[in-house]
Amino acid sequence: DAGVIQSPRHEVTEMGQEVTLRCKPISGHNSLFWYRQTMMRGLELLIYFNNNVPIDDSGMPEDRFSAKMPNASFSTLKIQPSEPRDSAVYFCASSLTAVGSGYEQYFGPGTRLTVT
Amino acid sequence: AQSVTQLDSHVSVSEGTPVLLRCNYSSSYSPSLFWYVQHPNKGLQLLLKYTSAATLVKGINGFEAEFKKSETSFHLTKPSAHMSDAAEYFCTGSSASKIIFGSGTRLSIRP
Repeated sequence: DAGVIQSPRHEVTEMGQEVTLRCKPISGHNSLFWYRQTMMRGLELLIYFNNNVPIDDSGMPEDRFSAKMPNASFSTLKIQPSEPRDSAVYFCASSLTAVGSGYEQYFGPGTRLTVT
Repeated sequence: AQSVTQLDSHVSVSEGTPVLLRCNYSSSYSPSLFWYVQHPNKGLQLLLKYTSAATLVKGINGFEAEFKKSETSFHLTKPSAHMSDAAEYFCTGSSASKIIFGSGTRLSIRP
């Protein structure tokens, strides 16, 4: 298996622009997670999907952030409008089944976002 | 309330000496506990996990961890550090529908 695939790997954009990050989970996994990592705040869980349904979005910073999972093999995280403080590495992870079942997460390589 | 606390933000050891990275948890339920490693500019990779089977769990690269319910601890150990072990380590707990990451411990290895 190719593992979790994220695109793009690097994104540089100007403040105010829309940014869309993409994730393809491992085939057969039914849980998907979006994380943000910065030096200041560490690793933060933004949102968790199970069977394409958002289960926990309490970590989504504000209305500028939105995440969708239209099918089991694709998810997007969108920031509109982007701000410099959104600069971070965004990770996508997938797991075989729901949180609490004891299955580990498999992480993608991350998207490094820079907003100028 | 659930929580995962990594007691050290930075640990430095000499190559060939033992490694101890500390993690305490609190949970109303029997948790699943994990240790992940993150090398620079990489994603996180699973080292080992505890899911209520054996309390001593062996992972990759010679790491192991022991679940101690009485101490609510899940410390990560390795008998002999290698230069390639230099990385960030995360302790994670999950139960019910919640997953919680510790703040991470940066492990440095001195030659």
